[in-house]
Amino acid sequence: SQTIHQWPATLVQPVGSPLSLECTVEGTSNPNLYWYRQAAGRGLQLLFYSVGIGQISSEVPQNLSASRPQDRQFILSSKKLLLSDSGFYLCAWSVGASGGLQETQYFGPGTRLLVL
Amino acid sequence: AQSVTQLDSHVSVSEGTPVLLRCNYSSSYSPSLFWYVQHPNKGLQLLLKYTSAATLVKGINGFEAEFKKSETSFHLTKPSAHMSDAAEYFCVVSDSDYKLSFGAGTTVTVRA
Repeated sequence: SQTIHQWPATLVQPVGSPLSLECTVEGTSNPNLYWYRQAAGRGLQLLFYSVGIGQISSEVPQNLSASRPQDRQFILSSKKLLLSDSGFYLCAWSVGASGGLQETQYFGPGTRLLVL
Repeated sequence: AQSVTQLDSHVSVSEGTPVLLRCNYSSSYSPSLFWYVQHPNKGLQLLLKYTSAATLVKGINGFEAEFKKSETSFHLTKPSAHMSDAAEYFCVVSDSDYKLSFGAGTTVTVRA
């Protein structure tokens, strides 16, 4: 069966410090991978998605970036954190699409980031 | 472009009574629709999904949802609420391979 891991679970960082959040998926190959942010009391906002190694699409301009160095690894980074980067970050995966089929996304446990 | 409206930001029910969470969507295509549940400080768990098969979809934990194209609705129901159902619920629409649109969420509280 497939599992998705995120770490760290919780992170407190000062403004201006760098960020690296990691997401890994087990039990599947060539998944689509996604990063979402959930601000307090709000829905989920798609930040990045990736359909393959080295292929990153950005949905929202911001000071965050994403990388996919390996097939089942997805990293969210920042060089300098802002207060507004605080939130709950969720990674998700789905089976790679074929023939235009819709996909179901499966979510990781999330990382709570607090920027002070 | 697709969008989702969850009509209730908060629903409060007594344990053992029915739960109804309302969702309306708009989509340019024949959509896939999902309901996810999120317990505090946890990730999202898939409850059920509709992908153009039967219009009444049964999910986990006794939940079900009915797709009504004429009303562009996908309401979630459960006949008897349990204390463990207290959580936030998201209605989600997908009409492309990679992107989901989330509703703002409905918080469910269950009274003993």
